Amino acid sequence: KAGVTQTPRYLIKTRGQQVTLSCSPISGHRSVSWYQQTPGQGLQFLFEYFSETQRNKGNFPGRFSGRQFSNSRSEMNVSTLELGDSALYLCASSAGQSDTQYFGPGTRLTVL
Amino acid sequence: AQSVTQLDSQVPVFEEAPVELRCNYSSSVSVYLFWYVQYPNQGLQLLLKYLSGSTLVKSINGFEAEFNKSQTSFHLRKPSVHISDTAEYFCAVSEGYQKVTFGTGTKLQVIP
Repeated sequence: KAGVTQTPRYLIKTRGQQVTLSCSPISGHRSVSWYQQTPGQGLQFLFEYFSETQRNKGNFPGRFSGRQFSNSRSEMNVSTLELGDSALYLCASSAGQSDTQYFGPGTRLTVL
Repeated sequence: AQSVTQLDSQVPVFEEAPVELRCNYSSSVSVYLFWYVQYPNQGLQLLLKYLSGSTLVKSINGFEAEFNKSQTSFHLRKPSVHISDTAEYFCAVSEGYQKVTFGTGTKLQVIP
């Protein structure tokens, strides 16, 4: 089986812009979670989708949003980018609740 | 709320020496415990996990971790490290849902 894929792998944006990141889970996996990884804050949970519904949400402002499509692919959107949004954004998929998560390689976002 | 503590941010160790990476967690309910490894510029890879049953779990590359409920610990050990083990290791806890809480990570530096 192919692993979790994330596109793009690298992205450079300027403050105030918005960005959309994409995640394709492992075939058959219905749960997709998003994490932000920064040197200062470590790995922080953003949100989790299961069967197109947001099931869990972390403590991030409303500028961070996501959605999941019927084929389980997920997108994450960040609006009005700030310098502090520069991070590695990781997506993870799992077959269902309480199943092991498998991570993608991440999208490195740089905000200038 | 669940939390994970990795007290050691960096652990230098000579090649072929043993290593222990410490992880303590707090949770009011039964938990699932994980160790993930992250190589430079890559996503996280699951190293091993404890869901239930035997408290000693092992990975295919020689790492092992023991779940100690009384000490709320899940330390990672390897009797003899290799250069290729140089990476960052994350301990994580989940209370059965997808909202996984990660520790701040421990960078293992293997010295030749």
